[in-house]
Amino acid sequence: EVQLVESGGNVVQPGGSLRLSCSASGFLFQAYWMHWVRQAPGEGLVWVAHIYFDGTSTAYADSVRGRFTISRDNTKDTLYLQMNSLRVDDTAVYYCARDPGGRELDYWDQGTLVTVSS
Amino acid sequence: EIVLTQSPGTLSVSPGERATLSCRASQSVKNNYLAWYQQKPGQAPRVLIYDASSRATGFPDRFSGSASGTDFTLTISSLEPEDFAVYYCQYYGSSPWTFGQGTKVEIK
Repeated sequence: EVQLVESGGNVVQPGGSLRLSCSASGFLFQAYWMHWVRQAPGEGLVWVAHIYFDGTSTAYADSVRGRFTISRDNTKDTLYLQMNSLRVDDTAVYYCARDPGGRELDYWDQGTLVTVSS
Repeated sequence: EIVLTQSPGTLSVSPGERATLSCRASQSVKNNYLAWYQQKPGQAPRVLIYDASSRATGFPDRFSGSASGTDFTLTISSLEPEDFAVYYCQYYGSSPWTFGQGTKVEIK
């Protein structure tokens, strides 16, 4: 059974940092691109970042470029999102999602809430 | 960046009726790399349609997708109670992946 289990969501002050983790099981993690997508309360889905199978290439939304870093450890079957210089408008549920290779997001985790507030 | 515009924002439909959701892209979508997702309250999105017209595993054939140029359509032929949800279209294949703003299908 495919499973993506996220951790790391929390309340953090503006300007602070947080690292999200997404642990994968039930499939060959290294064979998939991985993405982060977020959803502010009551709002729509917003793509955040993606990373290639082997981590050699990444891409970011303009709103997070230079502040967020996506990475992966294929020996641990884990995806990460390092979030720095957090702003109030980064408040959202963050989802990690699987991608067969530059394609649709075919499996999502249940998401974790990040709240940026003073 | 490809901007996706969904319409309507909210669609009020009675069970058993047909629902037609639209997603218009700001430019040509290579290979029709367009997906539709269904999201129910408190749940993660699930891919419903990919490559504009291929139905994902687990969804019945009352769901269908089509494309005409930069216009994409999701049709639900006869709404069941479990189909009331928010539907998003998404472009993929080159960065940035983008989502439409969503269409909420509610019970009339």
